[in-house]
Amino acid sequence: DGGITQSPKYLFRKEGQNVTLSCEQNLNHDAMYWYRQDPGQGLRLIYYSQIVNDFQKGDIAEGYSVSREKKESFPLTVTSAQKNPTAFYLCASSKLAEPDTQYFGPGTRLTVL
Amino acid sequence: DQQVKQNSPSLSVQEGRISILNCDYTNSMFDYFLWYKKYPAEGPTFLISISSIKDKNEDGRFTVFLNKSAKHLSLHIVPSQPGDSAVYFCAACDNFNKFYFGSGTKLNVKP
Repeated sequence: DGGITQSPKYLFRKEGQNVTLSCEQNLNHDAMYWYRQDPGQGLRLIYYSQIVNDFQKGDIAEGYSVSREKKESFPLTVTSAQKNPTAFYLCASSKLAEPDTQYFGPGTRLTVL
Repeated sequence: DQQVKQNSPSLSVQEGRISILNCDYTNSMFDYFLWYKKYPAEGPTFLISISSIKDKNEDGRFTVFLNKSAKHLSLHIVPSQPGDSAVYFCAACDNFNKFYFGSGTKLNVKP
């Protein structure tokens, strides 16, 4: 079955620690995205990548970093510089120039203690 | 500044009636618009879309209307069913494969 996996589903970290959220897709999609959702708000784009070894900042990239070493994988690191990291994080992928194909993972709920 | 806006945070509709969810955008360069349905603690799922060259797209009970001059789109669900209760997000895509999402409308369909 093709899809996107995000792990873990729930993640807790202490303030001041970096943490990496995993995102893997086997849909053979070129583009991958990281979004953040806060209560009562929509999805805000953190980073996106259209090709391996290349990525662009979204609207709220500060305090986050990504890498795209493989087509299938797009891990997100939440650094200690992110002031309000507690949120629901969603990874997505799509074919280039085919917006209908954007497919989301199940999300990771990050809580900073 | 938010480029896609959903001004109604919630909507309550009786089962069998029509649900109309609205969305406004500011960027005239958007060329594709999408609606997603989302349940709590899950990722959104694609529902229906429309290209900027069209003004209507229909898929079963779901119809999306686009008014480019007003920079407005709407999602009509008819007839509404209790299983439609969820948060609906409007999104726009530019020609750089970048997506912009609204803040969502929580639809409650009452039996």
